[in-house]
Amino acid sequence: DTGVSQDPRHKITKRGQNVTFRCDPISEHNRLYWYRQTLGQGPEFLTYFQNEAQLEKSRLLSDRFSAERPKGSFSTLEIQRTEQGDSAMYLCASSFGAGRGPQETQYFGPGTRLLVL
Amino acid sequence: QQQVKQSPQSLIVQKGGISIINCAYENTAFDYFPWYQQFPGKGPALLIAIRPDVSEKKEGRFTISFNKSAKQFSLHIMDSQPGDSATYFCAPPRGMNRDDKIIFGKGTRLHILP
Repeated sequence: DTGVSQDPRHKITKRGQNVTFRCDPISEHNRLYWYRQTLGQGPEFLTYFQNEAQLEKSRLLSDRFSAERPKGSFSTLEIQRTEQGDSAMYLCASSFGAGRGPQETQYFGPGTRLLVL
Repeated sequence: QQQVKQSPQSLIVQKGGISIINCAYENTAFDYFPWYQQFPGKGPALLIAIRPDVSEKKEGRFTISFNKSAKQFSLHIMDSQPGDSATYFCAPPRGMNRDDKIIFGKGTRLHILP
């Protein structure tokens, strides 16, 4: 399967611990997005990369959150000093963007469900 | 700031019936109007999308209709099946690029009765 993959699929942690999630996009996609989804809500944009450059961060992304995409391929999202309010599904998506040329849709991974106790 | 308003929030339809979900938007800069389908425990997946230069697009049992003057677009599911039970999001991307960040509505939970 050559879709977007995320690891781990589930994570339970205690408040105050650090957690790191990984996303592997579709190989030829240069754009990578992170979203957060809480129960009963639509996904909310967190941040996105074009290649290795982080181009935008939402105000939802507090300083406890950091995302990287060091070689323009996979990405990691780290949450430091987790809080119960961080409990959510963290979704990764990728797409191929070429300026204002023909655009392709975002393909989502299965998500990482985080539970902070 | 809520840029898309989706209705209804939940919908129950008999198998074989027509499911209709509506989306009203405010930002006239949107130029790509997709619907995403999300099953429990899965990420959203693009179902069907339309550009504003056409008023309707049909793919199988799914039809998207667009009313530019009313700033609304809708999803019609014909001959609804239990496998269509999912959450549906209208989700126009923020900018002019179709793969710019997506603004999701709150979603419509569709349940098809067998």
